[in-house]
Amino acid sequence: GAGVSQSPSNKVTEKGKDVELRCDPISGHTALYWYRQSLGQGLEFLIYFQGNSAPDKSGLPSDRFSAERTGGSVSTLTIQRTQQEDSAVYLCASSLVLLGNGELFFGEGSRLTVL
Amino acid sequence: DQQVKQNSPSLSVQEGRISILNCDYTNSMFDYFLWYKKYPAEGPTFLISISSIKDKNEDGRFTVFLNKSAKHLSLHIVPSQPGDSAVYFCAAHNSGGSNYKLTFGKGTLLTVNP
Repeated sequence: GAGVSQSPSNKVTEKGKDVELRCDPISGHTALYWYRQSLGQGLEFLIYFQGNSAPDKSGLPSDRFSAERTGGSVSTLTIQRTQQEDSAVYLCASSLVLLGNGELFFGEGSRLTVL
Repeated sequence: DQQVKQNSPSLSVQEGRISILNCDYTNSMFDYFLWYKKYPAEGPTFLISISSIKDKNEDGRFTVFLNKSAKHLSLHIVPSQPGDSAVYFCAAHNSGGSNYKLTFGKGTLLTVNP
């Protein structure tokens, strides 16, 4: 497809388990972003990539969260030892250049539920 | 500390009337503002933007107004259509800074009634 693709679309896991969320950006987009939206909240910035590099990881909520991007394309967000407060929709976005005119192309999100 | 605030969680208007969605910001370094629209089970999509050097930007039925002194912006949709029913997010950015993130508000759910 031509858009940003995320998988899984839904994930239910038990507290303490690890999860991996995948993002496939639009082909040719050099910048990739992860946001999350918790219930009743706005979009919270987590991390961005320029190519394979993530210069600023300060948005990640804790050291249980990590992200990587390989080949300037697919990115994986990993949450270790999940907690109930990690339940949210995790949104990935990409753009042709880093932020550019601010128009980010979002995927449909991965809904994570931690029981 | 919410730097971008959308104080109305929801708004309901009649088809054909004007919808006005409001957004306030506290960070004076923000100089670029955007509105995104989100339908259920879909990702947000870019709608319209405005730079701080302007006070108005228009695109078809959508107009964004920026009042820098009040740190306030608004999105006007006229005439409103049922297909405009969605959550609208205001976002802001410091284009001169080194952090490449958009700061979003919590969103306003717009319902346009036929």
